[in-house]
Amino acid sequence: DAKTTQPNSMESNEEEPVHLPCNHSTISGTDYIHWYRQLPSQGPEYVIHGLTSNVNNRMASLAIAEDRKSSTLILHRATLRDAAVYYCILRGMYSGGGADGLTFGKGTHLIIQP
Amino acid sequence: KAGVTQTPRYLIKTRGQQVTLSCSPISGHRSVSWYQQTPGQGLQFLFEYFSETQRNKGNFPGRFSGRQFSNSRSEMNVSTLELGDSALYLCASSLTGTGANVLTFGAGSRLTVL
Repeated sequence: DAKTTQPNSMESNEEEPVHLPCNHSTISGTDYIHWYRQLPSQGPEYVIHGLTSNVNNRMASLAIAEDRKSSTLILHRATLRDAAVYYCILRGMYSGGGADGLTFGKGTHLIIQP
Repeated sequence: KAGVTQTPRYLIKTRGQQVTLSCSPISGHRSVSWYQQTPGQGLQFLFEYFSETQRNKGNFPGRFSGRQFSNSRSEMNVSTLELGDSALYLCASSLTGTGANVLTFGAGSRLTVL
């Protein structure tokens, strides 16, 4: 089973920031937090990942709680092209976390309103 | 840098037949993982191969099998096809499969079983 919990769906308006939450209360000290997204009719694509500190890249920001039991993917200014299913997974530092580290769950379906 | 290539992209089989799908990872990537995606079940992990050895396995029947070659290319096989095997089959590659490595997905092979 997936080691993360995400809301089934979220809705946001175009050009506004979006905060996608992920709970991972059983995270271990060596688990990386990864985010991927899947646009319609495409394979999933990497968004961002981090271990302990907040991370920024050209696509998004990842905010990791101090106790690491939750994280938030931040899209700073959503566009219609950001409408996708967003997956949060934990991957172990040394071996990827076994089968659990490759279990994606259902993700959050993000709907962007124009 | 070429991405992950999956072939064939689309195929139609009948019940009882078998099918082989191919995945060519990004050059230098040694870990390949496979997933089944259906509308009802979401993205489900099948198995992961690293250096020609199956390293992790999901909860699928023995009709689903795979292998990895010395050049890291991987194939998966489904024998005695059932209607419920109709799905999008995705593969992902990563450098070594550890948590710091990013997963890169292919576009998938869409299998229809009639």
